Amino acid sequence: EADIYQTPRYLVIGTGKKITLECSQTMGHDKMYWYQQDPGMELHLIHYSYGVNSTEKGDLSSESTVSRIRTEHFPLTLESARPSHTSQYLCASSGQGAGELFFGEGSRLTVL
Amino acid sequence: AQSVAQPEDQVNVAEGNPLTVKCTYSVSGNPYLFWYVQYPNRGLQFLLKYITGDNLVKGSYGFEAEFNKSQTSFHLKKPSALVSDSALYFCAVRAPYSGAGSYQLTFGKGTKLSVIP
Repeated sequence: EADIYQTPRYLVIGTGKKITLECSQTMGHDKMYWYQQDPGMELHLIHYSYGVNSTEKGDLSSESTVSRIRTEHFPLTLESARPSHTSQYLCASSGQGAGELFFGEGSRLTVL
Repeated sequence: AQSVAQPEDQVNVAEGNPLTVKCTYSVSGNPYLFWYVQYPNRGLQFLLKYITGDNLVKGSYGFEAEFNKSQTSFHLKKPSALVSDSALYFCAVRAPYSGAGSYQLTFGKGTKLSVIP
């Protein structure tokens, strides 16, 4: 089992609220990623980080923001949630070597 | 640019029969190839990878995958399917590291496997 944790697992929130999805890993991995996935559908990379104070936007444009102040922590924030943000958000990390990703269990966000 | 194709949205197989989930890729240089499985309301779990060496790679839960360079394919296989294998399967590829951004994996769209009792 990979040691990467996401909270909350499920969140239902009203439009306009600010939310932060937490992601932490205890493997010392330098690279971390956020993917957005609609149920049963393909993954879209929205943010990634190759180390502390390094963040980049992914292939899919997202209104969310991320920060990487500590190696183990990579939170994702939505300043004002909208129904179009309803989705599952998957956090992942990778270390040295081939670069296989280790995923958290996901955070399923529903915005009413 | 790198890409992955999973030509089948869904694969149905009877329990006990062999299963194959197809994957083809496009990448510059020698590929790093991966298979992941996703159960409902869960994250992705790593199954196996190919970097170099033997073309037949063995992974978790009795799965294996065969790398075919001439056909640019990396099909996932299992000799005898279980009902519990029913899930969403993703193939992924990346090129060997050559600069910023190249750590990223490119995922296929996924194939839903249904094993029928």
